[in-house]
Amino acid sequence: DAKTTQPPSMDCAEGRAANLPCNHSTISGNEYVYWYRQIHSQGPQYIIHGLKNNETNEMASLIITEDRKSSTLILPHATLRDTAVYYCIVRVRQAGTALIFGKGTTLSVSS
Amino acid sequence: NAGVTQTPKFQVLKTGQSMTLQCAQDMNHNSMYWYRQDPGMGLRLIYYSASEGTTDKGEVPNGYNVSRLNKREFSLRLESAAPSQTSVYFCASSGGQGLNSPLHFGNGTRLTVT
Repeated sequence: DAKTTQPPSMDCAEGRAANLPCNHSTISGNEYVYWYRQIHSQGPQYIIHGLKNNETNEMASLIITEDRKSSTLILPHATLRDTAVYYCIVRVRQAGTALIFGKGTTLSVSS
Repeated sequence: NAGVTQTPKFQVLKTGQSMTLQCAQDMNHNSMYWYRQDPGMGLRLIYYSASEGTTDKGEVPNGYNVSRLNKREFSLRLESAAPSQTSVYFCASSGGQGLNSPLHFGNGTRLTVT
């Protein structure tokens, strides 16, 4: 079973920040938080990952709480092309370890 | 670079038929994975190969076999297809030397078993 809990759906207006929450209250010290998204029926796309510090890249920011039991993915200026299913996944830091996907959050961005 | 290439893109089988789904990556990745995705569901791990020469079962391995043919290729075989195996199948790879290397996915094979 997936070790994360996400809301099934969220809405966001185009141009606004989209904040997607994820609960991972049983996360272990050696587990990272990964975010992927899947647009339509394409293969999932990697967005960002982190251990305990906040992370930012060209796509998004990842905020992890100090106790590491939850995190938030932030898309700073959502566009219509960001409409997708977003998956939050925890994964041990070990080569070859597989990702276990949950059902994710369907983000709908509207104009 | 092509990344992860899956063939075929679409396939229709009759119950009981067999087939092999092919996957190849050109990123020199060590690890490869097979997932399936049913309508309205998240991805479920079927099998994975942490490195060349090894394979391990995932969440839903029953009815499937895999072969890590070499570092580039990881195939998934359905010996006797069943309607319950109608799904979209995704192959992914990760690796190099980075323990946190993200997974790169192919575009999927859409399989229908009648």
